[in-house]
Amino acid sequence: AQTVTQSQPEMSVQEAETVTLSCTYDTSESDYYLFWYKQPPSRQMILVIRQEAYKQQNATENRFSVNFQKAAKSFSLKISDSQLGDAAMYFCACASNDYKLSFGAGTTVTVRA
Amino acid sequence: EPEVTQTPSHQVTQMGQEVILRCVPISNHLYFYWYRQILGQKVEFLVSFYNNEISEKSEIFDDQFSVERPDGSNFTLKIRSTKLEDSAMYFCASLTGVGNTIYFGEGSWLTVV
Repeated sequence: AQTVTQSQPEMSVQEAETVTLSCTYDTSESDYYLFWYKQPPSRQMILVIRQEAYKQQNATENRFSVNFQKAAKSFSLKISDSQLGDAAMYFCACASNDYKLSFGAGTTVTVRA
Repeated sequence: EPEVTQTPSHQVTQMGQEVILRCVPISNHLYFYWYRQILGQKVEFLVSFYNNEISEKSEIFDDQFSVERPDGSNFTLKIRSTKLEDSAMYFCASLTGVGNTIYFGEGSWLTVV
């Protein structure tokens, strides 16, 4: 089983600025996957970015990038050039090969115009 | 972009009534999941389903819950006798196989009164 901790309940960022969301996890598995999901007010779960634990290179997806520190079990998300549409709840999640996701408590991101 | 579709989007039911939540996973996907999110809380795993049987279930998934894939396309979650604490957003998810992306549906919001 995995546990995921998001220590920032809320983060606020100025439009066009950068914000970093922290996430730490714990797992006994050697093969696992890490994810960031975005949940806007519509409550749909939208995949932002994923990282395979065996890959050393940090995943990037347009304005979204991660800082994956495997030894520290840390998986932070950086949102660059923040846009109003980025305002949402962001969940960090971890899964082993069974793809059973364990989610963190979430971080609410507010974007100031 | 492939989609997981869920119906109904919102259902209000009396306590003690049976509820069936329906999901149509993406057509070539093999693994199916139900997750639950009580308002203001983290997303929680309920059950995973593969090869027409439950592969894993959580403590939440007690005898009042059941899942089935009646016709090879739909994937249903049945709650036999709803309780107030079953009020939540229920998400269906699917993926093709290990190492691939999990896709979530838009959720079914269940309110038990």
